[in-house]
Amino acid sequence: AQSVSQHNHHVILSEAASLELGCNYSYGGTVNLFWYVQYPGQHLQLLLKYFSGDPLVKGIKGFEAEFIKSKFSFNLRKPSVQWSDTAEYFCAVSGGATNKLIFGTGTLLAVQP
Amino acid sequence: EAGVAQSPRYKIIEKRQSVAFWCNPISGHATLYWYQQILGQGPKLLIQFQNNGVVDDSQLPKDRFSAERLKGVDSTLKIQPAKLEDSAVYLCASSPTGYGQPQHFGDGTRLSIL
Repeated sequence: AQSVSQHNHHVILSEAASLELGCNYSYGGTVNLFWYVQYPGQHLQLLLKYFSGDPLVKGIKGFEAEFIKSKFSFNLRKPSVQWSDTAEYFCAVSGGATNKLIFGTGTLLAVQP
Repeated sequence: EAGVAQSPRYKIIEKRQSVAFWCNPISGHATLYWYQQILGQGPKLLIQFQNNGVVDDSQLPKDRFSAERLKGVDSTLKIQPAKLEDSAVYLCASSPTGYGQPQHFGDGTRLSIL
C-alpha cells in the first residue's frame, strides 16, 4: 500500500539551530516528492518538490531536501531555523497518471526565539 | 494570481444534518481536488476532478458524500447526513493539467459536528 511516514510529530528548536525532518515513503513505481508547509492561520503552501535529476532539491526560505532512493527517504533540512519557520510541515508523494497526493501525518515545528 | 477560494471558513452542525462546501479553483486549473484532514492527520484525498469528470473517488464515502463540478470550474462537496466522525477540515486544491503538477490549496472549511 502507498504510504508516507513522518517520524517526528513535534519538534522544538531554538533559533539558529539546524533542522532535519524525516520522511519515508512506500510507493511502487516512479514517484514525485513534495514538502508542503502550513504557517499558523494560512493555507498549505509548496516548499519544494522533486521529480527527477539532482537528488538534492532547494526550495524557498533556505530549505532543502535530499532524495535517497535506496532508503525511500526525502528528508527536509535547514541549516539555521528562524522563529518565522514555526509551522506544520507535510511530506507528500504522488505518482501515476492522476497526480494524487498521499500525505504524511505532519510535523509541528516550534522555534523558540 | 488569485488563490483557491473556499467557503464557508467554519461550519457547525448537528449530526444527521446536511452541509455543503464551495470551492473556486485558480483560473485555468483543470484539475480540482477535495481532501479531508482530520485533526492530527495529513490530508486524505476524497475526490479528484479533471474538468467536470471524476478521475478518482475511491475514498469518497458515497453513501453520504457527494461532489460535483458541473461546468468544469466551481465545485461543491456535500455531506448528507453528517456523522460525528466527519468533523474535519475540508480542503480544496487545484492544479494545471500535466504529470507532477503541484497542487495549490485553499484555506479550507473547518466542520464541527455536535
